[in-house]
Amino acid sequence: SQKIEQNSEALNIQEGKTATLTCNYTNYSPAYLQWYRQDPGRGPVFLLLIRENEKEKRKERLKVTFDTTLKQSLFHITASQPADSATYLCALIFVGDNYGQNFVFGPGTRLSVLP
Amino acid sequence: DVKVTQSSRYLVKRTGEKVFLECVQDMDHENMFWYRQDPGLGLRLIYFSYDVKMKEKGDIPEGYSVSREKKERFSLILESASTNQTSMYLCASSNPGSYGPNEKLFFGSGTQLSVL
Repeated sequence: SQKIEQNSEALNIQEGKTATLTCNYTNYSPAYLQWYRQDPGRGPVFLLLIRENEKEKRKERLKVTFDTTLKQSLFHITASQPADSATYLCALIFVGDNYGQNFVFGPGTRLSVLP
Repeated sequence: DVKVTQSSRYLVKRTGEKVFLECVQDMDHENMFWYRQDPGLGLRLIYFSYDVKMKEKGDIPEGYSVSREKKERFSLILESASTNQTSMYLCASSNPGSYGPNEKLFFGSGTQLSVL
């Protein structure tokens, strides 16, 4: 069956360290993958997109990798800050004819950065 | 700044009531979506629309209907609310982009619905 998992429901990390979040999937062949940030009581906000033929993408303190052989994406936040505390969602995207059926979201990882 | 606005942040309804959740976007997006979010289950697609008066079922459409009479507005209707529809409901919109039919999604702040 198809499945998308994120490494853990919750992750605690000390301020200044690098946070690494994992997104694993089985029986999917996504064209690209996105990461979103969600704060409590708010909707998700888009952060980064990476295509299947890209190995790595960076944006400021954020880095995403995408390994289609391992069926895994890693999301890194370097020099983490308490303001980075939030839930992070990965989403697999499939390009097809159906406009709406092409996003599949993971359950999310709640990151807490401790001062 | 782009905006997706959901009419209510919190809503409490009784079993059997008809419930309307409203969503408005100001970005002239073609595509609009309704998701529900439950702990441990991620976001699940209920319905989506890629044009005015057009609608398509998502993964969990049972017990829901939608209406899109104007491009900027997409309504989710619970015909007869049940306790298992207690959830966070999120509206989103998008436009086709270089990566495919939907580029990134813009979400509203969500409506936490409790059905008693």
